[in-house]
Amino acid sequence: DQQVKQNSPSLSVQEGRISILNCDYTNSMFDYFLWYKKYPAEGPTFLISISSIKDKNEDGRFTVFLNKSAKHLSLHIVPSQPGDSAVYFCAASPPGGGGADGLTFGKGTHLIIQP
Amino acid sequence: SQTIHQWPATLVQPVGSPLSLECTVEGTSNPNLYWYRQAAGRGLQLLFYSVGIGQISSEVPQNLSASRPQDRQFILSSKKLLLSDSGFYLCAWSLSYGYTFGSGTRLTVV
Repeated sequence: DQQVKQNSPSLSVQEGRISILNCDYTNSMFDYFLWYKKYPAEGPTFLISISSIKDKNEDGRFTVFLNKSAKHLSLHIVPSQPGDSAVYFCAASPPGGGGADGLTFGKGTHLIIQP
Repeated sequence: SQTIHQWPATLVQPVGSPLSLECTVEGTSNPNLYWYRQAAGRGLQLLFYSVGIGQISSEVPQNLSASRPQDRQFILSSKKLLLSDSGFYLCAWSLSYGYTFGSGTRLTVV
């Protein structure tokens, strides 16, 4: 049973436009959500996070939106740049941090920024 | 500042051979340590979790084992590798929310 779902394996966006990556979750116990960015042959790096008490968190070109009632979150990147081409993982954590369960990750979305 | 080191970066091993991947953390004490695997076309799967020296929890039954001989050292091992053990292995540490990942090891079993 996949508790964090990223239904788009890949997404192609033109440089300068907005990239929107989506993530759905099923476990209502999750209360903290994170996005990680991963380049080939490298470990994931933390990008942005959001607590369940918020519905939006912004950091520069990156904004994460959380819709708790729909159990849905999205990552917006605007404007998209060539260096944004990477695999993006959505992750969710229960209260208190990952603990024994660790973070639960989606399968990732490969974002490709077209020049 | 906290850093995490993971090695080797790539490894090609024959089926049936042993495995030892090492991960060390600097700049923090008593972190939670994790081993994840990313198989081709799949997300990140949690393999092992450790809250302290000698304390290992396994999430899935498998051909692998883990050990934590020191507070900041986490080792992933196998006595006999299978083809299905191929993948990208990631070590991570955490104190609460949010994880810091190592650079990963690409393991190819041939």
